[in-house]
Amino acid sequence: GAVVSQHPSWVICKSGTSVKIECRSLDFQATTMFWYRQFPKQSLMLMATSNEGSKATYEQGVEKDKFLINHASLTLSTLTVTSAHPEDSSFYICSAGGQGRGIYEQYFGPGTRLTVT
Amino acid sequence: AQSVTQLGSHVSVSEGALVLLRCNYSSSVPPYLFWYVQYPNQGLQLLLKYTTGATLVKGINGFEAEFKKSETSFHLTKPSAHMSDAAEYFCAVSSTGNQFYFGTGTSLTVIP
Repeated sequence: GAVVSQHPSWVICKSGTSVKIECRSLDFQATTMFWYRQFPKQSLMLMATSNEGSKATYEQGVEKDKFLINHASLTLSTLTVTSAHPEDSSFYICSAGGQGRGIYEQYFGPGTRLTVT
Repeated sequence: AQSVTQLGSHVSVSEGALVLLRCNYSSSVPPYLFWYVQYPNQGLQLLLKYTTGATLVKGINGFEAEFKKSETSFHLTKPSAHMSDAAEYFCAVSSTGNQFYFGTGTSLTVIP
């Protein structure tokens, strides 16, 4: 099956610093990757959709200058949280789109727990 | 526009009892429907999906779901709950298989 990894799995950073989270599709080429944010006990909120080689499409209300997304290759997308603040603390999950049995499926990474102190 | 409603944010069942997690969707086009399970501090694992064809879909770990177009529902069931089934369950809908819309999730507790 399709495997998506995320690195790091958890990170603690100080307020004002930037943090980069990597999302990799290990055994398939992902033309599209998605970034979600999940608050405790809540559902996943789509933040942005990134297509390889082009600018990401952000959902309404998501600050594109704060959450920088780069999809430089068919196997790697990165999310950089710039000038992080405690309210950015959350669980960030990426997913990668690939062809699966005739329909376009998403394969989810294990998530990254970000804590900003 | 698409959306998903999961009735019951918390469901408790006894071990060995029937599990029923409810999901209703709205979609202006034929939907793709998914159920995912999430264990604490982990990502989402696909349980099962409906695309086309047979409306009763069987997934992993003994789960199944039935697509009922007339009721716009895709409820998840399992005949006999196991302790390891305790987790958060999310229903999702997509029209293109690209952009997913998730429900708010149902936390399943299994009582020994």
